[in-house]
Amino acid sequence: DTAVSQTPKYLVTQMGNDKSIKCEQNLGHDTMYWYKQDSKKFLKIMFSYNNKELIINETVPNRFSPKSPDKAHLNLHINSLELGDSAVYFCASRLTGPRGPDTQYFGPGTRLTVL
Amino acid sequence: DAKTTQPPSMDCAEGRAANLPCNHSTISGNEYVYWYRQIHSQGPQYIIHGLKNNETNEMASLIITEDRKSSTLILPHATLRDTAVYYCIVRVDRSYNTDKLIFGTGTRLQVFP
Repeated sequence: DTAVSQTPKYLVTQMGNDKSIKCEQNLGHDTMYWYKQDSKKFLKIMFSYNNKELIINETVPNRFSPKSPDKAHLNLHINSLELGDSAVYFCASRLTGPRGPDTQYFGPGTRLTVL
Repeated sequence: DAKTTQPPSMDCAEGRAANLPCNHSTISGNEYVYWYRQIHSQGPQYIIHGLKNNETNEMASLIITEDRKSSTLILPHATLRDTAVYYCIVRVDRSYNTDKLIFGTGTRLQVFP
C-alpha cells in the first residue's frame, strides 16, 4: 500500500492555464505539507496543514491555493501557471503530538512542466 | 535557525562504510539532527535522527560529537542503491504543529562497484 500518493505523476501544460495536484495519505497523519523542488534541486517548503487548518505559508504567490478537504488529503491548485512554476512538487505528511513519529513521509512527487 | 554545512559530493566503494559529515555549529540545545536522503527522482526518505546520543537503526548510524557542533552519518556497508543525495537537517521548530524541514544542498553520495 502506498503511504503518500500524488496524482498526477507528470503534468505538462501551457502558460496561463490552471491546474491541480492531488495528495492523499493513508497513514492516519494529521499534518500534511507541500514542498517544491526547482531545477537546481533546492527543496523548499511551501505550505503545511494540520487538521485541515493552514499552519505554514512560506510567502508563496497567491496563485497557489492549497485545499485540505479532510486530514487525509491536501490538494494544490495553481492559477495562471508561469514558466517559473516548472518544478517537482512533493507532498509529505506527519503525525504531530507526543504519540507521533518525528519524521515526515514524502510522496513520489509530481513533475510539472509549464510550456 | 541553525544551518548545516555538508560536502557537495563523496564517493564510496560498494561494501565499504560511507561516512557523511555535517557541521551544525549554531545548533540549539533542543534541536535535533535529522538525516534524509533523496534517490534520483524520488521523494526524500527519512534515515535517522538524534539529539546528543549516538543512534543506530537498520539503515544507518548517527554519531554526534559531544559539543553537538557536528555529526556523521554512517552507512556501514554501502550498496549501489545507496547512491543518493543525503541531507543533514537541524529541526527548526519543536512545537506542536509548526514543524518544518529546511533542506540544504546536501551531499551527493556516489557508490561505485
